[in-house]
Amino acid sequence: GDSVTQMEGPVTLSEEAFLTINCTYTATGYPSLFWYVQYPGEGLQLLLKATKADDKGSNKGFEATYRKETTSFHLEKGSVQVSDSAVYFCALQQGGSEKLVFGKGTKLTVNP
Amino acid sequence: NAGVMQNPRHLVRRRGQEARLRCSPMKGHSHVYWYRQLPEEGLKFMVYLQKENIIDESGMPKERFSAEFPKEGPSILRIQQVVRGDSAAYFCASSPIQGYEQYFGPGTRLTVT
Repeated sequence: GDSVTQMEGPVTLSEEAFLTINCTYTATGYPSLFWYVQYPGEGLQLLLKATKADDKGSNKGFEATYRKETTSFHLEKGSVQVSDSAVYFCALQQGGSEKLVFGKGTKLTVNP
Repeated sequence: NAGVMQNPRHLVRRRGQEARLRCSPMKGHSHVYWYRQLPEEGLKFMVYLQKENIIDESGMPKERFSAEFPKEGPSILRIQQVVRGDSAAYFCASSPIQGYEQYFGPGTRLTVT
């Protein structure tokens, strides 16, 4: 079945550091890909998405590119802030299905 | 517009008791999804409901678990005769139409003692 693998956490960075959180997937066909973020005590929020190969999703300084050849959707940000501290989830969704398939999540802590 | 509401936020049950988790979708949303997050695992899809209909329950355990989304009122996830392995965070999401973004609630953390 479909699955998502993302890098193990936790990840600890200093403010203004560069962030990469790796995400790879296994799926048939051409799923849509997502990054969700969960701040402490809150529900998951959609951060960005891409629906086809080579699409780049971006939001709040975060970017991820849908790479079909490497089945990857790595999350990047050039300069993290303390307020980016959260758990980040990579997910996929097959066309015609409402079901989201999530990775295990990566906890990011940004220190001042 | 209030977000997706879930209650209770924390629920403690002894083995063998029943757990009822409630989810109030965002206003105007008629599609509800339930996900479960076991310790050290990602969120796993359980069930997708529309008002008064179960559309996809492929992720629901075959026994003890049931879900409903009545015409009026919140969606309910019901777990009968809970066991320790049911301890998890249960997340609800809603969307206004099929294929649209899912908006998540803060989750209910169930602990079975």
